[in-house]
Amino acid sequence: SQQGEEDPQALSIQEGENATMNCSYKTSINNLQWYRQNSGRGLVHLILIRSNEREKHSGRLRVTLDTSKKSSSLLITASRAADTASYFCATAESSGGGADGLTFGKGTHLIIQP
Amino acid sequence: GAVVSQHPSRVICKSGTSVKIECRSLDFQATTMFWYRQFPKQSLMLMATSNEGSKATYEQGVEKDKFLINHASLTLSTLTVTSAHPEDSSFYICSARDYEGANTEAFFGQGTRLTVV
Repeated sequence: SQQGEEDPQALSIQEGENATMNCSYKTSINNLQWYRQNSGRGLVHLILIRSNEREKHSGRLRVTLDTSKKSSSLLITASRAADTASYFCATAESSGGGADGLTFGKGTHLIIQP
Repeated sequence: GAVVSQHPSRVICKSGTSVKIECRSLDFQATTMFWYRQFPKQSLMLMATSNEGSKATYEQGVEKDKFLINHASLTLSTLTVTSAHPEDSSFYICSARDYEGANTEAFFGQGTRLTVV
């Protein structure tokens, strides 16, 4: 069942600005992952944060995880036109032991205006 | 990182025919692969979990006789859309994990855009 919910559903900002997307989920998780999808293409894995981690960085990406609130945020700093894409959070439930598929949020469509 | 190859990337077929989509893990073995479906401007929905050497596990609402899954080897899973209809037109994506436990990233194929006419 769909449990991840991203907000906003769409975000348009100027190049160079920071973009923040949020995700909420409902069940206990092993980890939460963020993916990027360019229009009509496959998914690109961005970052994985484990349930015992609170913050993680990768280049211009910063992800936070608050398991008490069952929420995560993805921050993209100094945005570029090439960052225009849809961004999805996905959770791996802790009951699955790694054998379950991911549950995806509805996604945030990010547009970077040049 | 690990690579998952999906083929074909797009296919157009006539109503009533069957279409097979292949998902291969190129540089690792995957005992479990996953099949997702994505409608335009929507999120990915898990359809089924493909287990090597055993029957696939289907999510609620997914017809197992409609979407046949075969996972005959540790590097290949196939999804066959049988007797396709226009409402089956969608983007199908597979993924696999290179298992080191539960906390590993999932690698996705490039997706297959199916259009049934």
